Order: sequence, then structure tokens, then C-alpha cells
Amino acid sequence: QVQLVQSGAEVKKPGASVKVSCKASGYTFTTYGITWVRQAPGQGLEWVGWVGVYVPDGDYAEKFRGRVAVTTDTSTDTAYMELKNLRSDDTAVYYCARGSYGDFWGQGTLVTVSS
Amino acid sequence: EIVLTQSPGTLSLSPGERATLSCRASQSLSSSQLAWYQQKPGQAPSLLIYDISSRATGIPDRFSGSGSGTDFTLTISRLEPEDFAVYYCQQYGYIPRTFGQGTKVEIK
Repeated sequence: QVQLVQSGAEVKKPGASVKVSCKASGYTFTTYGITWVRQAPGQGLEWVGWVGVYVPDGDYAEKFRGRVAVTTDTSTDTAYMELKNLRSDDTAVYYCARGSYGDFWGQGTLVTVSS
Repeated sequence: EIVLTQSPGTLSLSPGERATLSCRASQSLSSSQLAWYQQKPGQAPSLLIYDISSRATGIPDRFSGSGSGTDFTLTISRLEPEDFAVYYCQQYGYIPRTFGQGTKVEIK
């Protein structure tokens, strides 16, 4: 069965970076892209970016451009999202999801940014 | 950026009633790439509908999606107790792939 398993919760200080992983199993990793979405506490869903089969360098929401990078490691079927120069308003649960729309989702990774 | 506006913000209904959720796009989604998700507290979202009207695997037929252009609807024909949740629409035809702000379906 398709599964996306994300890395554990992180606590970071403002200005630091965080790298969240998303390990895929149960399907051929190279035939689907991976989308990243975040959800601040009590808020809605926000699209961060994605890496696709034909978009290996990723596409990103404008507000994250220059601070975020999404990558994949096909040797381990793992996707990564790195967010740099963290601010307090980056505190959120970060989700990975399969494909351009998410037919399967990871369990989420809480990233807390606090001094 | 395409803005998706969902209405109403909250829908108060009883089990067995019909729920009609709206999602309006700021410009036409000519690619028909619109999805609906359900999210329950403390859980990741789960896909209900993709390509406007195609049900995801395992989704019961009381959930249906419709619409075209700028106006889209998710209909739950008869609410079951497990359907009370927050629902989001998302367009994935254009970058950035935006979400609506959500509609909460609560028990009346």
C-alpha cells in the first residue's frame, strides 16, 4: 500500500534552517511528483511547492521562493523540503503528498520556530 | 495567482441532511484541475474528489463534485456522522496551486 512517512517534529530558532523528509513506499517513486503543503496552527492549507517528474528543480509559491528547496533522492525514495531563514510565522505542520494533487499524504511534521 | 473562495465558512446541518459547499475561482480553471479534500482534527487532509468530479478510491458515492469555469460544488447527499469535518478545494492546474480557506461542516 502507498505510504508517505515523514520525519519527526523539529524546534528551531529564528534564522535557522529545517529539512523535513518524506519517505515513500508502495509505488514507483519516480512516476509521481511530491507536493509540500503547510498548515499553521488553527489555519487552513497553504501550498508551498512541489517537485515533479518533469519539474526536477521544483515549483514554489512566490512567498517562499529563495527560502525553500524541494528535492528527491531516488536511491532511497525520499523527498525533502528545506526551509531557510526561519521566522516565527513559519511555525506549522508541514505535509508531503503524492502527485500534483495529493492522493496520499504523509502524517505531517510539526516545525516550531521559537527563540 | 488564482484565489479560491469557499462558502459558507461554516455549515450547520444534521445527520441525514444534504450539504452543498461552494468554491469560486478568481479566474476560469480551463484545465478542469480542481480537487476537494476532507480534514478531521489532528489528521492530514484526505482526497475526496479530483478533476472536478472524479471520486478518489474508496470514497462513497454520497460525495459528488460538479462545476466548470469559475464555480464548483461539493455535494454530500446525506450526511453521515463521520462527514462532519473541514473541507478544502484546491486548483492544481496553475502554479501556485492554491487552496480555498475551507468550509467547516458541523453538527447542528
